[in-house]
Amino acid sequence: KNQVEQSPQSLIILEGKNCTLQCNYTVSPFSNLRWYKQDTGRGPVSLTIMTFSENTKSNGRYTATLDADTKQSSLHITASQLSDSASYICVVRPGGGNKLTFGTGTQLKVEL
Amino acid sequence: EADIYQTPRYLVIGTGKKITLECSQTMGHDKMYWYQQDPGMELHLIHYSYGVNSTEKGDLSSESTVSRIRTEHFPLTLESARPSHTSQYLCASSDVMRGSQETQYFGPGTRLLVL
Repeated sequence: KNQVEQSPQSLIILEGKNCTLQCNYTVSPFSNLRWYKQDTGRGPVSLTIMTFSENTKSNGRYTATLDADTKQSSLHITASQLSDSASYICVVRPGGGNKLTFGTGTQLKVEL
Repeated sequence: EADIYQTPRYLVIGTGKKITLECSQTMGHDKMYWYQQDPGMELHLIHYSYGVNSTEKGDLSSESTVSRIRTEHFPLTLESARPSHTSQYLCASSDVMRGSQETQYFGPGTRLLVL
């Protein structure tokens, strides 16, 4: 069964600090992995997308990494801001398929 | 910000009522989706459509129905709402870019509470 597991479940950090969120998946075959940010009461918004051949991709203060061999991805947030408080969801698309597998998300709270 | 809209944003209704959740997008996307999301849980696909007059059930069994009469609209209907239908419902649409690079754009969601 295709699964996506994220850790930690929740995280509280101080403004200005860095953090790293983890995503492990068992989806096979693999097509791509995407990180979404979901603000409270809003729909998810795509941050990065990575295919099999990509190891790292950045979007501003967000940097995603992918190790397709170990089936792990991480999302690193640099110099966190209060507006980074949100749920971060890891989503994997299987090869040859259209149905996505979603993780349960990591709930990040950035405090002063 | 994606041009995909959902109404209502919040809905509180009594058991047994018929409700329709609206979803519309102005991006001309052929593919549209409905997801159900409970707090702290992953999104579950309940319906999808690849074009006008095409609808399919998703992975999660749902008592809701959908229709796709026009490209831009993908309404979801519950004939008789029950407390077990209480959840957040997210609509999404997608373009098709270089096969695997398909991007789904999500609406803001409808938070439904059935009493």
